[in-house]
Amino acid sequence: DQQVKQNSPSLSVQEGRISILNCDYTNSMFDYFLWYKKYPAEGPTFLISISSIKDKNEDGRFTVFLNKSAKHLSLHIVPSQPGDSAVYFCAASALGVGNEKLTFGTGTRLTIIP
Amino acid sequence: DTGVSQDPRHKITKRGQNVTFRCDPISEHNRLYWYRQTLGQGPEFLTYFQNEAQLEKSRLLSDRFSAERPKGSFSTLEIQRTEQGDSAMYLCASSLGGDPQYFGPGTRLTVL
Repeated sequence: DQQVKQNSPSLSVQEGRISILNCDYTNSMFDYFLWYKKYPAEGPTFLISISSIKDKNEDGRFTVFLNKSAKHLSLHIVPSQPGDSAVYFCAASALGVGNEKLTFGTGTRLTIIP
Repeated sequence: DTGVSQDPRHKITKRGQNVTFRCDPISEHNRLYWYRQTLGQGPEFLTYFQNEAQLEKSRLLSDRFSAERPKGSFSTLEIQRTEQGDSAMYLCASSLGGDPQYFGPGTRLTVL
């Protein structure tokens, strides 16, 4: 049972344009969502997070949007840069019920075309 | 802040052998997590500690797996009688309270 789903295995975007990565979840108890970036042979790097009390959080070029009614979140990267090429993972936890373990999606490989 | 470190980075072992991995969290972090990642999948939760107490274990963590965090600092993950299905990247993460989890570089295990 995949509680966090990233339905696009890969995405290619021109340098300078906006990259939009999507994530859906099924567990209504999830209330904290994170995006991680992963390069080959390295551990995931934390990018940005959002609590369920918000619908948007922004940090520099990265913005995460949360639509609780649709159980959907997205990560926007603008402008996209070649160094953004990596695998992006969406993750969720249920902090409100004391469940801190992260449940991850299967990842989206983002390729930025120069 | 030197980040989360893991040792070794790579381990090749023969089926049936025991292996032990070490994780050193970010120094002020009280929570430490272990995850496992296989090819094409996201990391899967194995277990976590708050200080030295192990608070939750996934059903993925069979009896052959044991984790410790003595004195609430570094942690070790031991796999006994390794099987080929144990081949994966083992990731450690740490956090302070409910803050984001920060991951180490991982230990890649290959069981021949």
